[in-house]
Amino acid sequence: GEDVEQSLFLSVREGDSSVINCTYTDSSSTYLYWYKQEPGAGLQLLTYIFSNMDMKQDQRLTVLLNKKDKHLSLRIADTQTGDSAIYFCAEKRPQTGANNLFFGTGTRLTVIP
Amino acid sequence: DAGVTQSPTHLIKTRGQQVTLRCSPKSGHDTVSWYQQALGQGPQFIFQYYEEEERQRGNFPDRFSGHQFPNYSSELNVNALLLGDSALYLCASSLNAGLTEAFFGQGTRLTVV
Repeated sequence: GEDVEQSLFLSVREGDSSVINCTYTDSSSTYLYWYKQEPGAGLQLLTYIFSNMDMKQDQRLTVLLNKKDKHLSLRIADTQTGDSAIYFCAEKRPQTGANNLFFGTGTRLTVIP
Repeated sequence: DAGVTQSPTHLIKTRGQQVTLRCSPKSGHDTVSWYQQALGQGPQFIFQYYEEEERQRGNFPDRFSGHQFPNYSSELNVNALLLGDSALYLCASSLNAGLTEAFFGQGTRLTVV
């Protein structure tokens, strides 16, 4: 398909791990991104992964990339209430020649105290 | 080090009017991209400015136009506003028209009544 797909909602208890999933579209995508958006705010770049990597870890964040299935995931360890936000995955699509990001519709993460 | 700054933060306009939104990129960045984020959606690419020229354009009508100044700041202009133009307008800055690290501003919330 043409859309970057994400589940709309995820709810976890404080202290548990969260896993947010994304299916992207362009098998030649070079960079894949995760952004966080808090209510009324812009987008905060959390992390990105280059397509020649399978995994990237940055403190509580772990990104897994499955190029065969065009599947990207973001794991947040020890989820805190401050992690409640909308999380967007995004891809750049070299095959289109476009130099812009294509975003999913976002996953709203709710952390229950 | 100032991040990406946008002004104004909120704006209310009437149908048919024109609006100008402003963006200053992160220090050291020379490329500005504009995105429209409708309620409940992911951001959609409008266009990108680099070296004071529009380099890429998304699927937006000619009512949407822009400009980049020698100091790399940018404006987004929308003419003949429609109710459907109500959205959060996000500016992203990066370096050398690249996207490896694109940083977003807080956005301008435009409401058309």
